[in-house]
Amino acid sequence: GAVVSQHPSWVICKSGTSVKIECRSLDFQATTMFWYRQFPKQSLMLMATSNEGSKATYEQGVEKDKFLINHASLTLSTLTVTSAHPEDSSFYICLGVAGGEETQYFGPGTRLLVL
Amino acid sequence: AQTVTQSQPEMSVQEAETVTLSCTYDTSENNYYLFWYKQPPSRQMILVIRQEAYKQQNATENRFSVNFQKAAKSFSLKISDSQLGDTAMYFCAFMKLRGDDKIIFGKGTRLHILP
Repeated sequence: GAVVSQHPSWVICKSGTSVKIECRSLDFQATTMFWYRQFPKQSLMLMATSNEGSKATYEQGVEKDKFLINHASLTLSTLTVTSAHPEDSSFYICLGVAGGEETQYFGPGTRLLVL
Repeated sequence: AQTVTQSQPEMSVQEAETVTLSCTYDTSENNYYLFWYKQPPSRQMILVIRQEAYKQQNATENRFSVNFQKAAKSFSLKISDSQLGDTAMYFCAFMKLRGDDKIIFGKGTRLHILP
């Protein structure tokens, strides 16, 4: 059945480095991919919305130059955290939506720890 | 802008009991979706139940049912015969009718099922 895979599942990196997170839709085409961030014991906060082949739309307060989102195909969307800092440590989760449908599929999430 | 409010940060009930989680929302939309998501310790988001606002009948999924009061903008989740595996964070969420629109989450309710 339709699922979204997300890699890596967790990553530890040094401050100042960049980290790329990939979300792939399996058995469906994700025309829209939402990227959320979740800090410990908090809710999911939407960071950005990306549609295949177009620029991502960022929520207020999210730095587009820091969180680079690419949605080059209907099955792959990536989030790159550039020049990561300890405050970027969080749980990042993607949500793929098939075009024109109300069905959504969450990825399993990526735990990022920046030292 | 849409908002989702969950007024119960944490709840505990005995196994086999029934528990109700509250959720209210605010929107000017007439057609939309409401969801309850479960997030266990693995942090994988699991869809529990979905309600279309244009349907008057309350959605049910086995032991899970909702009380959808559109006029009051209330959407509570009832878990019957609660099980230890129901222990998790539960998020109420809202989405406009278009399937590629973003999902807005409440702050969540941490539910503990006690043996």
